[in-house]
Amino acid sequence: GENVEQHPSTLSVQEGDSAVIKCTYSDSASNYFPWYKQELGKRPQLIIDIRSNVGEKKDQRIAVTLNKTAKHFSLHITETQPEDSAVYFCAALESGGSYIPTFGRGTSLIVHP
Amino acid sequence: GAVVSQHPSWVICKSGTSVKIECRSLDFQATTMFWYRQFPKQSLMLMATSNEGSKATYEQGVEKDKFLINHASLTLSTLTVTSAHPEDSSFYICSAHSPGQGVNEQFFGPGTRLTVL
Repeated sequence: GENVEQHPSTLSVQEGDSAVIKCTYSDSASNYFPWYKQELGKRPQLIIDIRSNVGEKKDQRIAVTLNKTAKHFSLHITETQPEDSAVYFCAALESGGSYIPTFGRGTSLIVHP
Repeated sequence: GAVVSQHPSWVICKSGTSVKIECRSLDFQATTMFWYRQFPKQSLMLMATSNEGSKATYEQGVEKDKFLINHASLTLSTLTVTSAHPEDSSFYICSAHSPGQGVNEQFFGPGTRLTVL
C-alpha cells in the first residue's frame, strides 16, 4: 500500500518568513495530492491540491510543487502570518481508484508574531 | 462547498457504555464515508470505509465488533463505540465523498471528542 512520509514534524518561523513542508510517497499509482490545514480541535480543511499532470500550483501565498520522478511534493507558504499556525497534513491517493487517501503524520507550524 | 456535520461534538461516558456518533452530509449525497480516529498531536488514522447499503471495510487492527459502522442512507453514517473504555478516548472525525462534489475531494465533519471515564 501507499506510504507517505512528512517532514518536519514541527516548524517554527517568524512572521513574514516562508515555510516549507515536504512529503514523499511510495506508490507510483498515486496521482492526486491534497494538503489540509487543521486548527486545534477543528476539522481538516483542504487548502490546496495538485494532480500528477502538473508540476506546480499556486494560490496566493500558498504553493505546492510535485516531482513525480522523485515521488515527492512540497507545500510552500510565503509571508507567513500568525493565523497560519496550525497542523498541516499532506496526503496521496489514486484518483479513480478506491479513493482512500494516505495521510502524512502532520507538521505543526508555529508562526511567531 | 459541501457540508458535513457530526453529532455530538463531544461526549463523556462511563466505561462499559456504548456511544453512537452520527455523520451527515447536509447538502449532497455521499457515496462513501470514512471514519478516522485522531490522537492528540497525531495524524488521522483511517478506521473504516463505508459505502451506502453495504458493510464497512475496516482497516487492519480495527475491531469491527467494537466499532460498529452503519451507512443506511446516502446522507447518514453512524459509528457506535461499544463497551467503551478509557483507551477509546479520542477525537473521531468522519468525512464524506461524492464524485459529484469533486472527483477527489472529501469533506470532513467537525469531529467528536469522546472521553471515557
